[in-house]
Amino acid sequence: GENVEQHPSTLSVQEGDSAVIKCTYSDSASNYFPWYKQELGKGPQLIIDIRSNVGEKKDQRIAVTLNKTAKHFSLHITETQPEDSAVYFCAASPTTSGTYKYIFGTGTRLKVLA
Amino acid sequence: DARVTQTPRHKVTEMGQEVTMRCQPILGHNTVFWYRQTMMQGLELLAYFRNRAPLDDSGMPKDRFSAEMPDATLATLKIQPSEPRDSAVYFCASGLGQGNQPQHFGDGTRLSIL
Repeated sequence: GENVEQHPSTLSVQEGDSAVIKCTYSDSASNYFPWYKQELGKGPQLIIDIRSNVGEKKDQRIAVTLNKTAKHFSLHITETQPEDSAVYFCAASPTTSGTYKYIFGTGTRLKVLA
Repeated sequence: DARVTQTPRHKVTEMGQEVTMRCQPILGHNTVFWYRQTMMQGLELLAYFRNRAPLDDSGMPKDRFSAEMPDATLATLKIQPSEPRDSAVYFCASGLGQGNQPQHFGDGTRLSIL
């Protein structure tokens, strides 16, 4: 069935360093890939997304890359800050099916050490 | 910013009791999703609606769970009778139901069944 694998499950970095989270999806029909940040006691909040016709997208300190051939996409956070500490989820959505369902990864708990 | 509103934020009740969770989607969004989040299972899709019609509820235990959209501004998720294994955080998300458009999450209902 459809599946999204996410690695690592936990990640600790020093403040100012970069963090990279990787996801692999199985459904080749997936063509929309959002990333969500979830803080304690809150719902997941969209931080960046990428469509399948784009290989890379950047928004200030965060960037996402997509390799459709390999079915990989990654989140890159540069110059990490303590407020980046949260759980991050990737998702894949086969929007061409008309369902607009997401298949979520299992999450990465990022800790930025001051 | 427009937000998805969920009530109640917290609910503690005894096994066997009926639980009703409510969601107000973002005005203009025609797609509503219900998710359950646990440590073990991550984010599970329970059901979703488009234009108030249920499209998929295959993720929901049918014998005790039911989801409805009485009108465009209200979605409900009911559990009757509740069981301790239903303890989790339940999220509602809404979207425009168009290709490559993100889902927007509420802050969830934290449910504890004693």
